[in-house]
Amino acid sequence: DGGITQSPKYLFRKEGQNVTLSCEQNLNHDAMYWYRQDPGQGLRLIYYSQIVNDFQKGDIAEGYSVSREKKESFPLTVTSAQKNPTAFYLCASRTSGGAQETQYFGPGTRLLVL
Amino acid sequence: GDSVTQMEGPVTLSEEAFLTINCTYTATGYPSLFWYVQYPGEGLQLLLKATKADDKGSNKGFEATYRKETTSFHLEKGSVQVSDSAVYFCALSVNSGYSTLTFGKGTMLLVSP
Repeated sequence: DGGITQSPKYLFRKEGQNVTLSCEQNLNHDAMYWYRQDPGQGLRLIYYSQIVNDFQKGDIAEGYSVSREKKESFPLTVTSAQKNPTAFYLCASRTSGGAQETQYFGPGTRLLVL
Repeated sequence: GDSVTQMEGPVTLSEEAFLTINCTYTATGYPSLFWYVQYPGEGLQLLLKATKADDKGSNKGFEATYRKETTSFHLEKGSVQVSDSAVYFCALSVNSGYSTLTFGKGTMLLVSP
């Protein structure tokens, strides 16, 4: 089955620790995205990548980093510089094709600070 | 900048009631419009979309019409079920080459038997 997988489902971070969230897709999509969701809020864009080895900052990139070494993978690192990391993190990938472009989402990772 | 405004929730309905969730937008250019649904603890699922004015998106009994004159994309369903209880997000994408989504804050729907 084609889709987007995120792991782990829950992740705990200690103060001062960097953690990495995994996102893998087998949909052959070029573009991938990371969003953060806080309670009662919409989704906010952290980073996105249109193609391998290229990525751009979104609206709230401070304290986060990404890499895109393979088309299928777009891991997100939450660094110790992110002072309020507790949130639900969603990865997405996008079909291409002009007006038919659509983003599809993974199941999410919930990050909690110990 | 681009923005999406949704009615605040929660919206509470009895089973078989009629549903409307309002969504209005501001955007430069000609956006595509989307409704996503999120069930508790899960990611977002695409519910329906429309890519140009007067298009109607529909899926699973839900529908929404792209109204350029009122910059709206209201979600409707004629008869809701308990299983429709979820958070619904309206979003837009301006086809400017990198196609990021701008989301509303979401509207929680609670349907009781």
